[in-house]
Amino acid sequence: GDSVTQMEGPVTLSEEAFLTINCTYTATGYPSLFWYVQYPGEGLQLLLKATKADDKGSNKGFEATYRKETTSFHLEKGSVQVSDSAVYFCALSDRRGAGGFKTIFGAGTRLFVKA
Amino acid sequence: DAGVIQSPRHEVTEMGQEVTLRCKPISGHNSLFWYRQTMMRGLELLIYFNNNVPIDDSGMPEDRFSAKMPNASFSTLKIQPSEPRDSAVYFCASSPNEKLFFGSGTQLSVL
Repeated sequence: GDSVTQMEGPVTLSEEAFLTINCTYTATGYPSLFWYVQYPGEGLQLLLKATKADDKGSNKGFEATYRKETTSFHLEKGSVQVSDSAVYFCALSDRRGAGGFKTIFGAGTRLFVKA
Repeated sequence: DAGVIQSPRHEVTEMGQEVTLRCKPISGHNSLFWYRQTMMRGLELLIYFNNNVPIDDSGMPEDRFSAKMPNASFSTLKIQPSEPRDSAVYFCASSPNEKLFFGSGTQLSVL
């Protein structure tokens, strides 16, 4: 079945450091790929998405490129801020015909950014 | 729009009791998902509905768990009887397409 694997955390960085969180996937079809972010005490929120190979999703300085050849969707940000401290989830969504879309998530990677 | 509404926000119960979690999806969204989040297992998909019909319940851990969606504006997740290992945060999410909108979750503690 489909699965998502992302790097274990926590990741601890200083403010203005470069961020990479790795994500790889396995899927039988042609899924869309997502990054969601979860702040303490809240549900997940969509950060960015890409729907086909070589697409780049971007939002709030974060970027990720859909790499079909390496089945990867790594999250990057050039300069992190303290406010970026959160848990980041990689996800894939696969159409199930008339059954809508099934979305599964990786385990999540906690990011701490120090001032 | 009020977003996805889950209730209760916190639930503390004793082992063996029945627990019912509730979810009101965003109006117009045709898919609804129930997830469970724990430190050990991360975010697990329990079941999802499309147009009020259960499509995939392969993630439901055992027969103690059941979910219903009697109409487009309401869903329940029931655990009967509850066990301490069911303690987790349970999220409901709704979607009009591929993008999920999450509720704030229900923190369940089974003593």
